Amino acid sequence: SQQGEEDPQALSIQEGENATMNCSYKTSINNLQWYRQNSGRGLVHLILIRSNEREKHSGRLRVTLDTSKKSSSLLITASRAADTASYFCATDLENTGFQKLVFGTGTRLLVSP
Amino acid sequence: DAMVIQNPRYQVTQFGKPVTLSCSQTLNHNVMYWYQQKSSQAPKLLFHYYDKDFNNEADTPDNFQSRRPNTSFCFLDIRSPGLGDAAMYLCATRAAQETQYFGPGTRLLVL
Repeated sequence: SQQGEEDPQALSIQEGENATMNCSYKTSINNLQWYRQNSGRGLVHLILIRSNEREKHSGRLRVTLDTSKKSSSLLITASRAADTASYFCATDLENTGFQKLVFGTGTRLLVSP
Repeated sequence: DAMVIQNPRYQVTQFGKPVTLSCSQTLNHNVMYWYQQKSSQAPKLLFHYYDKDFNNEADTPDNFQSRRPNTSFCFLDIRSPGLGDAAMYLCATRAAQETQYFGPGTRLLVL
């Protein structure tokens, strides 16, 4: 079964607005990773946040992690039409004995000019 | 520079005709993964290699096999593709507890 659930499933905004996507997971993690996927393409890594970190930034992206609530959020500020894509969170499970990322259900973001 | 390379980008095969997808990496990572992704769904892990150790997911059909002849290369073999196997196949690599890098994917069409 999937570890992560993301909401919303779909998000439609105008250029210049901020977009926030949320990810919840079920078990303890080593880290959580966010990916972007343009239609018909592979996954592009955005940010990795470790279990002992609370917030990370990369350009217009801000990721937060709350391990007590088992949740993470991805904020895209000043969105652009080029940000239109699906966004996935993926959790690196603790104590699995091997390296395995489990993906959330994804959020489809549409940014209109 | 491409770090995870998948060939071909598009593959058309016939129902029941074996097909092989390939992946190579320049990162020297010891873990390589194969995922299947169908439209509007999250990637689904099929199996992975930790060095030469093969780890199959419990729900991966026997129709799917994999080979890893060396650190750089990994192959996905579909012995008898069915219509339901049409999907995007993604290869990925990583070092322990670090960023996982994906290739561009191979889109498989089964006629």
